[in-house]
Amino acid sequence: DIMLTQSPATLSVTPGESISLSCRASQSISTNLHWYQQKPNESPRVLIKYASQTISGIPSRFSGSGSGTDFTLNINRVEPEDFSVYYCQQSNSWPLTFGSGTKLEIK
Amino acid sequence: EVQLQQSGAELVKPGASVKLSCKTSGYTFSNYYMSWLKQMPGQNIEWIGNIYGGNGGTGYNQKFKGKATLTVDKSSSTAYMDLSSLTSEDSAVYFCARWSGWFAYWGQGTLVTVSS
Repeated sequence: DIMLTQSPATLSVTPGESISLSCRASQSISTNLHWYQQKPNESPRVLIKYASQTISGIPSRFSGSGSGTDFTLNINRVEPEDFSVYYCQQSNSWPLTFGSGTKLEIK
Repeated sequence: EVQLQQSGAELVKPGASVKLSCKTSGYTFSNYYMSWLKQMPGQNIEWIGNIYGGNGGTGYNQKFKGKATLTVDKSSSTAYMDLSSLTSEDSAVYFCARWSGWFAYWGQGTLVTVSS
């Protein structure tokens, strides 16, 4: 199985800061990497597909980059509603797997 | 508008089975795969398996083979997941999600609690 390692586990920031979250794969997954946001007691929602492709309805402050084994989710000027958990997920090979998440919290 | 409506919370006894449902609307059910996923409290998300709405073809995470059985009813555009021989390790929120290479749409989740 492909393991996805997300870092940091927790990130404390002030609204308005710009941040980067990391996701590293245990083997190359091309750009078959997707990012999700999950708020407490809610279902995840997709933010970015295939490493860098935008999703309709997602604010433009969210962007993604990377390929191979190293991927990044960027949030330009964090808004109060962005404080939640972020997961990466790979679709390069079966079984589909998720990272353990990065919790974005208010400093 | 695509919608996935999951069945309500379940309280089941150890050793029992439970069947969860995911009723869909707003798209052609038979053209897409449906996935089921598990999330234990405060934990990571695990993919259980996929089922194709068109012919019921399935693919499972090896970890969940023998535990989960996925089926569909095309006439009602509904996907189902049977969970068998339940233990405390099966207590979790279970999501259905439409899969198109990524999980584009999600149900609201069903909480399953296994307790005597």
